[in-house]
Amino acid sequence: RKEVEQDPGPFNVPEGATVAFNCTYSNSASQSFFWYRQDCRKEPKLLMSVYSSGNEDGRFTAQLNRASQYISLLIRDSKLSDSATYLCVVNMRNAGGTSYGKLTFGQGTILTVHP
Amino acid sequence: NAGVTQTPKFRVLKTGQSMTLLCAQDMNHEYMYWYRQDPGMGLRLIHYSVGEGTTAKGEVPDGYNVSRLKKQNFLLGLESAAPSQTSVYFCASSYQLGGAIYEQYFGPGTRLTVT
Repeated sequence: RKEVEQDPGPFNVPEGATVAFNCTYSNSASQSFFWYRQDCRKEPKLLMSVYSSGNEDGRFTAQLNRASQYISLLIRDSKLSDSATYLCVVNMRNAGGTSYGKLTFGQGTILTVHP
Repeated sequence: NAGVTQTPKFRVLKTGQSMTLLCAQDMNHEYMYWYRQDPGMGLRLIHYSVGEGTTAKGEVPDGYNVSRLKKQNFLLGLESAAPSQTSVYFCASSYQLGGAIYEQYFGPGTRLTVT
């Protein structure tokens, strides 16, 4: 089983649609959770961190369910510029209890927003 | 402020050749990482460094070596390139943002083809 699993999609949605991405992680000791965005042939960039209480940034809402080891990202009122690959990312502690900021990436979910 | 830079951007090698990829960051970050990204595999950690003069193995270290002689630079070496090392290589750096949350900043990537 992969440590971080995402539905690879692709998701094709019209402008204005609401779309949700899900992600599961296998290590219950995981500490920190993120969504990164990667445009075609570009580097990943942090979209938002994910907190236990859930958090919102404009049209984007992220939620974490530690009991189910599940993370989600909701995008409302999709824009053409939202077309990208969305990476679910987890910071896991190693056996010694440290992580040194090492991240484990899901394979990404491709989103295409069309007119 | 350049952030994270990588050289070269593109390279074609023949099997058995060697090369060094250079990563530089100007944000005074302690932690630096090298990833490779392959279709359907997501980003995988090759090696990382938690400070000047220290390096450690990541998920897929075989065939690669690294050095961190200066805090701002992290070098990735391929001693004898193989076609399986054809990939996009990303460097990243990070800092501690309270507790265990680490945001990573990525360079633009190096596209390497080994024939």
